[in-house]
Amino acid sequence: AAGVIQSPRHLIKEKRETATLKCYPIPRHDTVYWYQQGPGQDPQFLISFYEKMQSDKGSIPDRFSAQQFSDYHSELNMSSLELGDSALYFCASAPSHLAGEGSGELFFGEGSRLTVL
Amino acid sequence: GENVEQHPSTLSVQEGDSAVIKCTYSDSASNYFPWYKQELGKGPQLIIDIRSNVGEKKDQRIAVTLNKTAKHFSLHITETQPEDSAVYFCAASFAANFGNEKLTFGTGTRLTIIP
Repeated sequence: AAGVIQSPRHLIKEKRETATLKCYPIPRHDTVYWYQQGPGQDPQFLISFYEKMQSDKGSIPDRFSAQQFSDYHSELNMSSLELGDSALYFCASAPSHLAGEGSGELFFGEGSRLTVL
Repeated sequence: GENVEQHPSTLSVQEGDSAVIKCTYSDSASNYFPWYKQELGKGPQLIIDIRSNVGEKKDQRIAVTLNKTAKHFSLHITETQPEDSAVYFCAASFAANFGNEKLTFGTGTRLTIIP
């Protein structure tokens, strides 16, 4: 079965640079969530989108932005990178709300590991 | 917002023994409680979940119990095997037919199975 695809899997950037992470949800999933997981930490919610509109916002820095496109893929843009941004970034998707399929389950990708030097 | 606490942070058990991980949540509106297993360098994988209208759910060696009154839920793994070694996260959210809220995760339990 198709899973959530994230790219790139690994990314190394210098401080103050910009990075873009991409997420391709499972087909027919219209909701995307972004999580940040620091070393030894639990995943922290950043932001989510439903039908290309932002649906919820968590502890996402102002230097970060994200959007969901017409094909439901999502991109997380991170600017003015800091050392503390080094983490695993997970994207998760969930199926359609309107079909009554809001089971609650989130399907996670394998993550993008960002290292800021 | 929701706050989920998880204990213990590390757990070592002999192969074949049982492991229990406990979580508490703060928001009485939460109605969906999944457990995720995360192996090194991989994304969290759902292993079992329970909804607030059910008190217990079992899937082979894995079971979850929920006490809504006390706002706590637990993961039970019986007959543990080496491949059960991983980090386990509990989570809570409000799931409805017309909207899934974000998952709030517990702080994780590193389970080590000793051969």
